[in-house]
Amino acid sequence: SQQGEEDPQALSIQEGENATMNCSYKTSINNLQWYRQNSGRGLVHLILIRSNEREKHSGRLRVTLDTSKKSSSLLITASRAADTASYFCATVLASGFQKLVFGTGTRLLVSP
Amino acid sequence: SQTIHQWPATLVQPVGSPLSLECTVEGTSNPNLYWYRQAAGRGLQLLFYSVGIGQISSEVPQNLSASRPQDRQFILSSKKLLLSDSGFYLCAWSGRVGYGYTFGSGTRLTVV
Repeated sequence: SQQGEEDPQALSIQEGENATMNCSYKTSINNLQWYRQNSGRGLVHLILIRSNEREKHSGRLRVTLDTSKKSSSLLITASRAADTASYFCATVLASGFQKLVFGTGTRLLVSP
Repeated sequence: SQTIHQWPATLVQPVGSPLSLECTVEGTSNPNLYWYRQAAGRGLQLLFYSVGIGQISSEVPQNLSASRPQDRQFILSSKKLLLSDSGFYLCAWSGRVGYGYTFGSGTRLTVV
């Protein structure tokens, strides 16, 4: 079963705008990760945020984590056409083996 | 540096035929290895994971099996493919808890 649910399922913006994607999960986590997938390709790890962290930055990416609400957001600032892809959140649960459980993904389209 | 190889990239197989997908990792030892499947437009479903040679854990009962004959080799197999086995299969590896996964480029399997 899916641990995470992304919102929105699809997002269409213009170059230069910011893109925000949200992720909700169900059970306690060790960490939460965001991945990017270009059409028909493998996934690329973007950023990892641990359960004791609230915010993390990497270049144009900003991730927040609210463990009380079991939610996370990914912000891409100043979007480029090359950012067009599907974005997935994935969680490593706090107990048991450290398998990565993925959400359903957000399809981002950035138009020039 | 660590690399992951997955092949073939594309495969069309008739119903009832066998399947063997291979994944190898270079540049690391004793990795955790994973097989995921992605249906069209959907998130990733964990199929199998392995923490060591000969150690396989199955997440979803199905028509598939996995084996790890060597430390850095992970194989996904089926004796008789079903139409429902069609999808995009991704291999991944991870190190210690708290680090992201590295994914292979994927195999698109179409069962006809």
